Amino acid sequence: SYELTQPPSVSVSPGQTASITCSGDKLGDKYACWYQQKPGQSPVLVIYQDDKRPSGIPERFSGSNSGNTATLTISGTQAMDEADYYCQAWDRSTAVFGNGTKVTVL
Amino acid sequence: QLQLQESGPGLVNPSETLSLICTVSGGSINSSSYYWDWIRQTPGKGLEWIGSIYYSGSTHHNPSLKSRVTISVDTSKNQFSLKLSSVTATDTAVYYCARRQQYYYYMDVWGKGTTVTVSS
Repeated sequence: SYELTQPPSVSVSPGQTASITCSGDKLGDKYACWYQQKPGQSPVLVIYQDDKRPSGIPERFSGSNSGNTATLTISGTQAMDEADYYCQAWDRSTAVFGNGTKVTVL
Repeated sequence: QLQLQESGPGLVNPSETLSLICTVSGGSINSSSYYWDWIRQTPGKGLEWIGSIYYSGSTHHNPSLKSRVTISVDTSKNQFSLKLSSVTATDTAVYYCARRQQYYYYMDVWGKGTTVTVSS
């Protein structure tokens, strides 16, 4: 079955840039999206179709997808961005989620 | 503003069937623009897509759950439902329903989730 691999954790200082990777076989041939999940809350879509932001998502969130890796970038990270982030793509009509990355803002 | 709300028993006996309903408010489920999905989350396996239904009744499910999944829609009640048969402790999870865009397949509206524990 298809797998998406993310680093378990990423640490970033306030105001700096956090990059979260998501690796999968030929992921660049698929569309990737990203979800943010804070403790006790349901996931929130922050990036879809590789690099598009839903309305209401701050411009500091951006995405890219090429080759085997999709990347979520948070520029000028704020304390409120501390959360778990999950990538997701579709393979053979099945949605596949990454294992999640905990972003800590130190 | 579209909202989704999961409901159902919080405790299910092993080997029995888990049944959940997702009620959609603030919009119609009877739309060709969306799919309606079920996703679950466990500490061990993270987020796992269970399956989906289109307003017409067409369904898809995760092959990993084999034939245990049944998803149905009741457009008159603006609800869709999930049944998962022969449950075991590994089916203990937070279950979410979500709306998925027909094109590009992203889940843009999620319910708050409901915790289901499988235990006798």
